[in-house]
Amino acid sequence: GQSLEQPSEVTAVEGAIVQINCTYQTSGFYGLSWYQQHDGGAPTFLSYNALDGLEETGRFSSFLSRSDSYGYLLLQELQMKDSASYFCAVRNSGGYQKVTFGTGTKLQVIP
Amino acid sequence: DTEVTQTPKHLVMGMTNKKSLKCEQHMGHRAMYWYKQKAKKPPELMFVYSYEKLSINESVPSRFSPECPNSSLLNLHLHALQPEDSALYLCASSQGRQGVPNYGYTFGSGTRLTVV
Repeated sequence: GQSLEQPSEVTAVEGAIVQINCTYQTSGFYGLSWYQQHDGGAPTFLSYNALDGLEETGRFSSFLSRSDSYGYLLLQELQMKDSASYFCAVRNSGGYQKVTFGTGTKLQVIP
Repeated sequence: DTEVTQTPKHLVMGMTNKKSLKCEQHMGHRAMYWYKQKAKKPPELMFVYSYEKLSINESVPSRFSPECPNSSLLNLHLHALQPEDSALYLCASSQGRQGVPNYGYTFGSGTRLTVV
């Protein structure tokens, strides 16, 4: 079966840095994505890692270690608008187009 | 146009009703998806269409019937639903081609469905 585990909730202070972890167990692996979803909104694509290492996109960075079946999303210079749910998602052996989402982490940014 | 448009935004239907959810994209994406999302849960894949052909059905009950009339449109026909089917139904699209870098899905805002 497939499992992608994330912490359920994280709280961080505005202006700080926060890391959201994702550990996965899948029958196949083609890449790890991250999505942001505000309450009542649609998931929005943030980043994608197919290979080991760090990918940086503005204030957001994502890291992947395939040997450890582990990745994380790093958010820097936190802003109040970053309060949202964050999902990791694995493209797995179910097919090129099949993506399975993690359990989700609700991030609360406080002043 | 970099959007996926879903209609209606909200839908209340009885268990004997028949209704349809609609999804449209004009980004030239050749893969389109239906996801179901319950409150405080991750999206769960229901169906995948690739080049207008159904390529993945995640063992979804037959009361949900997908249709892809052309490369821009995706429908989800609903019939004899149960109250537990109440959820946010999300449509998404992606490049959907082997060898194309994955820039992720583009999701629509969803249809919030309530079955009474």
